[in-house]
Amino acid sequence: QKEVEQDPGPLSVPEGAIVSLNCTYSNSAFQYFMWYRQYSRKGPELLMYTYSSGNKEDGRFTAQVDKSSKYISLFIRDSQPSDSATYLCAMSGGSGGYQKVTFGIGTKLQVIP
Amino acid sequence: GAGVSQSPSNKVTEKGKDVELRCDPISGHTALYWYRQSLGQGLEFLIYFQGNSAPDKSGLPSDRFSAERTGGSVSTLTIQRTQQEDSAVYLCASSQDRGVSPLHFGNGTRLTVT
Repeated sequence: QKEVEQDPGPLSVPEGAIVSLNCTYSNSAFQYFMWYRQYSRKGPELLMYTYSSGNKEDGRFTAQVDKSSKYISLFIRDSQPSDSATYLCAMSGGSGGYQKVTFGIGTKLQVIP
Repeated sequence: GAGVSQSPSNKVTEKGKDVELRCDPISGHTALYWYRQSLGQGLEFLIYFQGNSAPDKSGLPSDRFSAERTGGSVSTLTIQRTQQEDSAVYLCASSQDRGVSPLHFGNGTRLTVT
C-alpha cells in the first residue's frame, strides 16, 4: 500500500462546476499538506499549502485537511478550462522531516468549455 | 528571477549507455531534490541535498543511479548502463531551508531508453 493514495482520474467536468479532488494517506506523522498543479510537459507548481488540520481558502481554491480521517481535499469553484491539468497532493513531516515530500499519483482534470 | 533549469529537455539513448542530467537550482536555494515521474507511478523521490550535509540517497532505485551537487549549486544525476525501465521524466526541484518551503520544480528531462 502506498503512503499516499490518489485517484488518477481522468475527471471531466463542465465549465463552472465545483471540482473536488481528494487524497488519503497512511502516515499519521504527516503534518504539512500541499497541492501542486502540473500542466502537460511542465514541472509541478505549488497551489496551496496547509499545516495540520483545517481549511485554507485562496480565491477559487479551498484546501481541507482532516487528520483524524487521514483525508485531504482540494475544491475548485467556478472551474475554468485553464484549470485543466494534473493535480498532485503532497505531504511531509514526521520522521521523514518536513523537507522530504511524498506525492500522490496525481488526478488528471479536464474542464470542458 | 530565473526558475529551476534542467537540461537537456529530452534525451534519447540506447540501452546500456550512460546519461547525465543537469539541474541549475534557483539562486540561494540550499535544498535540491531529484524526483522521477513515470506513467502511472507519480513522483518518486530519488535523492535530496541540503547544504553541506550528506545527501539523502534513500530513494535511488539501484547503484546505477548517482548524483552530485558541486559547490552547493548545480547538480548532476547520472544513470549508468541505462535500462528501458529507466525511461521517465526526471524532475529537479529546489527550495529554501527556512521553515517549510515549497518546492520549485524545473520542467524536467524526458528520458527515453531504446
